[in-house]
Amino acid sequence: DIVMTQSPLSLPVTLGQSASISCRSNQSLVYSDGSTYLNWFQQRPGQSPRRLIYKVSNRDSGVPDRFSGSGSGSDFTLKISRVEADDIGVYYCMQGSQWPLTFGGGTKVEIK
Amino acid sequence: QVQLVESGGGVVQPGKSLRLSCGASGFTFSTYGMHWVRQAPGKGPEWVGVISYDGSKKIFADSVKGRFNISRDNSKNTVYLQMDSLRAEDTAVYYCAKDQTWNWGQGTLVIVSS
Repeated sequence: DIVMTQSPLSLPVTLGQSASISCRSNQSLVYSDGSTYLNWFQQRPGQSPRRLIYKVSNRDSGVPDRFSGSGSGSDFTLKISRVEADDIGVYYCMQGSQWPLTFGGGTKVEIK
Repeated sequence: QVQLVESGGGVVQPGKSLRLSCGASGFTFSTYGMHWVRQAPGKGPEWVGVISYDGSKKIFADSVKGRFNISRDNSKNTVYLQMDSLRAEDTAVYYCAKDQTWNWGQGTLVIVSS
């Protein structure tokens, strides 16, 4: 199975500042079709997860452009620019390139 | 808009069975695969399994293989998760999710306890 490792575990941020979350896989996520199936999800307190980013850097509909994804191969980053109070929650990466699908352990974003 | 509503959760004894349902609306259900994902209290999500759009293909996580099964009824826009031989470690909120766009339902809580 592909192991997804996120860091940091906890990320205290100041409102208006930027935040970056790292996600690394123990093998390349490049699929045979050339695409890299790396997703980012946000889970606000008491809510279901919501996908923000798919295939490394594509924002889902309705996701503010303050959220951006980057990376390649086995090293990926989610950046939140100008953090707002609404952004608090836990962020997970998930790979969809190989069965079984696997999630990272999560990064809790909280306000300083 | 896509809506997914899970039901069927509850408290069940170890070794018993439970069937969860997920009703879908807002999209052409019969053309999408459907996933089940679970989340134990205070933990991250764990993918459980997937069923193809027509039910012909199913893939499961090793942790549930041989004990859980996924089925669907496209005439009812519903996907099911049959859980047998339940263990304490199966305690979690169970979500269904639409393939490709990864819309999630609100989840249903399963507690396995004597």
